[in-house]
Amino acid sequence: ETGVTQTPRHLVMGMTNKKSLKCEQHLGHNAMYWYKQSAKKPLELMFVYSLEERVENNSVPSRFSPECPNSSHLFLHLHTLQPEDSALYLCASSQRPGGGARDTQYFGPGTRLTVL
Amino acid sequence: DQQVKQNSPSLSVQEGRISILNCDYTNSMFDYFLWYKKYPAEGPTFLISISSIKDKNEDGRFTVFLNKSAKHLSLHIVPSQPGDSAVYFCAASQQTGANNLFFGTGTRLTVIP
Repeated sequence: ETGVTQTPRHLVMGMTNKKSLKCEQHLGHNAMYWYKQSAKKPLELMFVYSLEERVENNSVPSRFSPECPNSSHLFLHLHTLQPEDSALYLCASSQRPGGGARDTQYFGPGTRLTVL
Repeated sequence: DQQVKQNSPSLSVQEGRISILNCDYTNSMFDYFLWYKKYPAEGPTFLISISSIKDKNEDGRFTVFLNKSAKHLSLHIVPSQPGDSAVYFCAASQQTGANNLFFGTGTRLTVIP
């Protein structure tokens, strides 16, 4: 595997389910990100991890819970989601700890989430 | 409120002609701008960037122009090729709070052979 991979690619869940999204980067990067893209809206940054420490959380509801066990893996745990949480969830990574605007982000293909 | 706007959701261009994709921003503190390209079922890939100290950056067939006074940037693709057909996202950031990239909603470019 190369680049940034995400599993599953598609997920349908009920509002009472608990599921997890997984992201893995094979680039040796030190920063990882979760983004959300809702229909006809821009990508929104959700979380940033640098060297496995969360450095940014953009006021995301607690029903989204990120986990970064090491610099190559990032999870997004989902529980009691709402239908309006249906969106494309994209993971990204970048080289430098702390990321930064000039630190190019490499994106995975995303997980298309549908909440019924 | 969206700080980065791409007002044209789609654009069609003949192969060999110039494609011009536009982007406007509202935050005068933005000092770094990027374009990403996205094919279906793939994540966005970085294409080209420009710092606010420049007004033009060129990379092969791709040129980005920045007009700070108008808070406007554009991406020119010359000549356009069918493989350029994709969704193009404009993004912006500022030196402080540098982890946060603000994206536009994207413009779908179709290059007609």
